[in-house]
Amino acid sequence: NAGVTQTPKFQVLKTGQSMTLQCAQDMNHEYMSWYRQDPGMGLRLIHYSVGAGITDQGEVPNGYNVSRSTTEDFPLRLLSAAPSQTSVYFCASSYSSPGRAAKFSPLHFGNGTRLTVT
Amino acid sequence: EDQVTQSPEALRLQEGESSSLNCSYTVSGLRGLFWYRQDPGKGPEFLFTLYSAGEEKEKERLKATLTKKESFLHITAPKPEDSATYLCAVQAPIKAAGNKLTFGGGTRVLVKP
Repeated sequence: NAGVTQTPKFQVLKTGQSMTLQCAQDMNHEYMSWYRQDPGMGLRLIHYSVGAGITDQGEVPNGYNVSRSTTEDFPLRLLSAAPSQTSVYFCASSYSSPGRAAKFSPLHFGNGTRLTVT
Repeated sequence: EDQVTQSPEALRLQEGESSSLNCSYTVSGLRGLFWYRQDPGKGPEFLFTLYSAGEEKEKERLKATLTKKESFLHITAPKPEDSATYLCAVQAPIKAAGNKLTFGGGTRVLVKP
């Protein structure tokens, strides 16, 4: 059981390049999300998905795209990289219990992708 | 808009010197407050969830408490292996938003032997 796997671990891009950060989970969690972590600013939500085929924007979505074609995978695409996107990116997943008083399990995080844009 | 503020930003402790970390929050209807531990180069690791004022949770040397406006993470007789960044987060009040969390900036804890 690998949990949440993120690739690559490190990436350097030039301004204007595009790339995809990969995230896969093997826990059958319906909820997945992407955060970025910057010094002094904490973790900020980029995009999230409540299930396959459903995505929505978080707090800082500009410059990023996501899709959710399967339960397992939730890739994050940088369309045209900018130095402001230099950050550490974390993918996380969780599930919700059934019923009217349903609660989500705690977010389970991957170990991150450190991205530098020059 | 949900807001989470953690203090202090950094804390240096001697081994065995107990202390508390603070997490103040503003949210329109708390569904859950979470504490995570993050080691350098790793993703956050879940510690506790608190749902209502007065609730307390314990794990080894850590104890989390919750009031209507803030949460505390008490570290009792810390050891060097408790050195980490501790993150606090609140869950979005709207259930349809899924498991959106708003995080504080974290408290970096260094425990010296």
